[in-house]
Amino acid sequence: QKEVEQDPGPLSVPEGAIVSLNCTYSNSAFQYFMWYRQYSRKGPELLMYTYSSGNKEDGRFTAQVDKSSKYISLFIRDSQPSDSATYLCAMRAAGQGAQKLVFGQGTRLTINP
Amino acid sequence: EADIYQTPRYLVIGTGKKITLECSQTMGHDKMYWYQQDPGMELHLIHYSYGVNSTEKGDLSSESTVSRIRTEHFPLTLESARPSHTSQYLCASSEYSGTGNNSPLHFGNGTRLTVT
Repeated sequence: QKEVEQDPGPLSVPEGAIVSLNCTYSNSAFQYFMWYRQYSRKGPELLMYTYSSGNKEDGRFTAQVDKSSKYISLFIRDSQPSDSATYLCAMRAAGQGAQKLVFGQGTRLTINP
Repeated sequence: EADIYQTPRYLVIGTGKKITLECSQTMGHDKMYWYQQDPGMELHLIHYSYGVNSTEKGDLSSESTVSRIRTEHFPLTLESARPSHTSQYLCASSEYSGTGNNSPLHFGNGTRLTVT
C-alpha cells in the first residue's frame, strides 16, 4: 500500500465551480503538508504549505488538514481556466528534510470556460 | 519564473549512448535533488545532495550518477541509456535549514528523455 494516495482523475469542472482535491495517507508521523501545482510541460510549483492540522487560506485556495482521518484537501473557489493543471500533494514528518517528501500521484484538473 | 534551469528540455537518444542532463540554480541553495516523474505516478527521488562534494542515492534505484562540484550545478549522467530510462527528469533545490522544517522545493521545468 502506498503511503500517500491521490485520485489521479482526470477531473473536469465548469468555470466558477468549487473544486475539491484530496489525498489520504497512512503515516501518522506526517506533520508537514504541501500542495504543488504543475502546468503542462513545466515543473511543479509550491502552492500551499501547512503544518499539522487545521485550515490555511490564500486567496481562492484553502488547504485543509485532518490528521485524525489522515486526510488533506485543497479547495479552489471560483475556479478559472488558468487553474487547469495537475495538482500534487506532498508530505513529510517533522525533523526530516525535503528528501523525505512523499508525493501523491497527482490529480489532473481541467476548468472548462 | 523559476531560478532553476534544466537542459535540454527534450532529448531523444539511441540505446547505449552516454548522456548528461544539466541542472543549475541561481538561488544559492545548498540542497539539490533529482526526481523521476512518469505519467500518473508519484515523483520518485533518485539522487540528492546536501552541498558541494555531497551526493546520496534516493529511494528509487537508478543506474544514473550525479556530481556536485559547484553549489549551483548538479548534473545527472547515464553511462549507457536504455529504453527503460525513458521518463521525465526533474531537478529541484531547497535551502538547508537544520531540521528542514521550512524548506520547500523549487523545481526546474524538467528534461523529457526518450531512449529508442
